[in-house]
Amino acid sequence: EAEVAQSPRYKITEKSQAVAFWCDPISGHATLYWYRQILGQGPELLVQFQDESVVDDSQLPKDRFSAERLKGVDSTLKIQPAELGDSAMYLCASSFDRATDTQYFGPGTRLTVL
Amino acid sequence: GNSVTQMEGPVTLSEEAFLTINCTYTATGYPSLFWYVQYPGEGLQLLLKATKADDKGSNKGFEATYRKETTSFHLEKGSVQVSDSAVYFCALSESSASKIIFGSGTRLSIRP
Repeated sequence: EAEVAQSPRYKITEKSQAVAFWCDPISGHATLYWYRQILGQGPELLVQFQDESVVDDSQLPKDRFSAERLKGVDSTLKIQPAELGDSAMYLCASSFDRATDTQYFGPGTRLTVL
Repeated sequence: GNSVTQMEGPVTLSEEAFLTINCTYTATGYPSLFWYVQYPGEGLQLLLKATKADDKGSNKGFEATYRKETTSFHLEKGSVQVSDSAVYFCALSESSASKIIFGSGTRLSIRP
């Protein structure tokens, strides 16, 4: 069964350093989502792509976070500089298209900022 | 704005007990409703969903009914197993093109 791939699974960094996370959605899925899940809370959307275009980044802290999906397939989420409060699980999800409400989630990247 | 409120955990039950996890929502329009499950060390998995009022979603012995009149989508299972131990998230999507809004999650632990 096709799955959403994410790497790395775990990342430890010091504050003020740059970090990057990678996501490869299920083949053929046009819509890609990045969520942040703080420990003990539900995931919250950071950014949504339709193909290579951003359709919702209203909750993305743009002073330090950036996301791209250059060829409309895989995606990278970057934080620069990292802050202590960025420690969380970063989840990637994909869906076939915007008309499909079922999203498939990857295993996530757990970020710890020291 | 749209929101989801679910029963706080943790919930601890004995094997074969009846499970209910409460979930209520606030939304404009007619959202789709979901239950996602997160097993230890794994990503979120869709457990079940319902897209309109009075629909019942079901999977792996779990059920939830979309109740528009009470804005609820409670998760139930008649006889839980140790393998059901996980964190359960209630969620909604306002339209098919929008993000999913999650509740805070309920941790479920089942004792043998």
